[in-house]
Amino acid sequence: GQQLNQSPQSMFIQEGEDVSMNCTSSSIFNTWLWYKQDPGEGPVLLIALYKAGELTSNGRLTAQFGITRKDSFLNISASIPSDVGIYFCAGQPPLGGSQGNLIFGKGTKLSVKP
Amino acid sequence: NAGVTQTPKFRVLKTGQSMTLLCAQDMNHEYMYWYRQDPGMGLRLIHYSVGEGTTAKGEVPDGYNVSRLKKQNFLLGLESAAPSQTSVYFCASRNPGQGILKHFGDGTRLSIL
Repeated sequence: GQQLNQSPQSMFIQEGEDVSMNCTSSSIFNTWLWYKQDPGEGPVLLIALYKAGELTSNGRLTAQFGITRKDSFLNISASIPSDVGIYFCAGQPPLGGSQGNLIFGKGTKLSVKP
Repeated sequence: NAGVTQTPKFRVLKTGQSMTLLCAQDMNHEYMYWYRQDPGMGLRLIHYSVGEGTTAKGEVPDGYNVSRLKKQNFLLGLESAAPSQTSVYFCASRNPGQGILKHFGDGTRLSIL
């Protein structure tokens, strides 16, 4: 089945630093989504992208839908301690059916630098 | 407005036992989903439903059954629990026109000994 490769798997951040992560696939997607998950909670939708080349911001977060439709990027500017958590990308394949089933990446875990 | 509510939040089972996880949503959503999340993995779709009385298999359906007798509830059953089913289970819902999935429950943490 389709898979998403999300990188990096984990990273440490220092307050004020910019953070970048990405997801790639060998297949195209119609929609790209970025979620954040805090411990003990469900994923929370951060940004949704609907067309190739689209660049969308949500506060300090900016995400892009790759022009090839096979990748997406998420950037966090001027990170703060509450940015720690696990970030997931998810894509909706063209043949996902009317149900809109999603394929999820394995996540990028953000932690604070010791 | 509670959104998506999952019960129970935690459960420990012995191998071979059965149990049912309940997902309830109060947003009148047509579509409901059950996912499982394992360490270092993204969410994987177990089963989903596009309306009351209908269910369909997702990516990892084996060992699970589901029912959608009422629009607001989606039940996930384990008939004979196995250690491989130790996981965190998430329910989600949306309407067809929304196009994206943004309403998740807080998860049920299930351990099978």
